[in-house]
Amino acid sequence: EDQVTQSPEALRLQEGESSSLNCSYTVSGLRGLFWYRQDPGKGPEFLFTLYSAGEEKEKERLKATLTKKESFLHITAPKPEDSATYLCAVGNTGNQFYFGTGTSLTVIP
Amino acid sequence: KAGVTQTPRYLIKTRGQQVTLSCSPISGHRSVSWYQQTPGQGLQFLFEYFSETQRNKGNFPGRFSGRQFSNSRSEMNVSTLELGDSALYLCASNMGSETQYFGPGTRLLVL
Repeated sequence: EDQVTQSPEALRLQEGESSSLNCSYTVSGLRGLFWYRQDPGKGPEFLFTLYSAGEEKEKERLKATLTKKESFLHITAPKPEDSATYLCAVGNTGNQFYFGTGTSLTVIP
Repeated sequence: KAGVTQTPRYLIKTRGQQVTLSCSPISGHRSVSWYQQTPGQGLQFLFEYFSETQRNKGNFPGRFSGRQFSNSRSEMNVSTLELGDSALYLCASNMGSETQYFGPGTRLLVL
């Protein structure tokens, strides 16, 4: 069965302290791996789509990477405004999407 | 380009009632998916519609249903509401099989 596991569940960082979030997945046929950011009470905001192992994408302080079994979201020198829940999802060849339960990130000034 | 819109944003219902939620996708997007999000379960897939046809369905009881209109707008209905149906209901649209873009959600509280 296709599934996504994210770790850690929660992460507290000091401002400027870089770290990585992990997304492990099993999927029958990968169409894409997606990262989203979700603020409390709001819908997920799209960040990145990765399609194949070895691919990397960057946006400001965020960088997403993909292997055949997992993806990492690297956060470099985070700021308090980066505090949010980060969600990972996979889409399979059957046009189904599976989400992880997210990593709640808190960046302390 | 306008994003995904959902109405209403907030709803309070009582057990046994039914509710209808609406979603307007991004212009040109033909696929609309619905998710239920609760603190304990995360995002749970309800169903997906593409060109007015249900293409995928999650593991939810028959009380949860949906439909899509010719203009790609979608509605979902929950009948005989239960306390456990309290959640944030999210709608997402995409072109067909790629990146999903989410709306702000409808917060449903069942008393």
